[in-house]
Amino acid sequence: QKEVEQDPGPLSVPEGAIVSLNCTYSNSAFQYFMWYRQYSRKGPELLMYTYSSGNKEDGRFTAQVDKSSKYISLFIRDSQPSDSATYLCAMSANTGGFKTIFGAGTRLFVKA
Amino acid sequence: DTGVSQDPRHKITKRGQNVTFRCDPISEHNRLYWYRQTLGQGPEFLTYFQNEAQLEKSRLLSDRFSAERPKGSFSTLEIQRTEQGDSAMYLCASSYVDRGGSGANVLTFGAGSRLTVL
Repeated sequence: QKEVEQDPGPLSVPEGAIVSLNCTYSNSAFQYFMWYRQYSRKGPELLMYTYSSGNKEDGRFTAQVDKSSKYISLFIRDSQPSDSATYLCAMSANTGGFKTIFGAGTRLFVKA
Repeated sequence: DTGVSQDPRHKITKRGQNVTFRCDPISEHNRLYWYRQTLGQGPEFLTYFQNEAQLEKSRLLSDRFSAERPKGSFSTLEIQRTEQGDSAMYLCASSYVDRGGSGANVLTFGAGSRLTVL
């Protein structure tokens, strides 16, 4: 079993839809939860990160962490064609060298 | 500062040849990471450096792989006797972590070096 599980999709939605992406994990030591966005043939770029449980909002993006269920989510409101990319969840702990573990990524297509 | 730079962007080689990738991190960052990413998968951790010290290596990093970070600046990743299974995107990332080890370890990635082994 992988430490981080993420449905690879693809997920196709119409422009303006609310998108929900999520990951589950098994390592209870994870404290930092991140979402990266990766466009084709580019390196991942950080969207946002959350420490421990709770919600965090940044513009059209909202990240949620439920440590009791080992479940994290990213919501995208008013999705745009420019949001079409692969979204990677990632997690790390303060111990073990800050090694960041990534999910497989979910490919998102937003149709105009 | 132009971010994390990787060179070359794409390398095509024949099985059995050696290849070397270079990464120039953000100058203020003290940690440097190498990841490997195959099609449809997320980045997989290979190794990381704190300044010039290599502190952790993944089981994925066989003895054909070696990484260095002389003087704590740029890093190189060498693959000897390449195999077709080595074909992947090799990603470099850097970050800054303070002495107390507090705060999120936010990685800044380069664009990657794509390896194709024929």
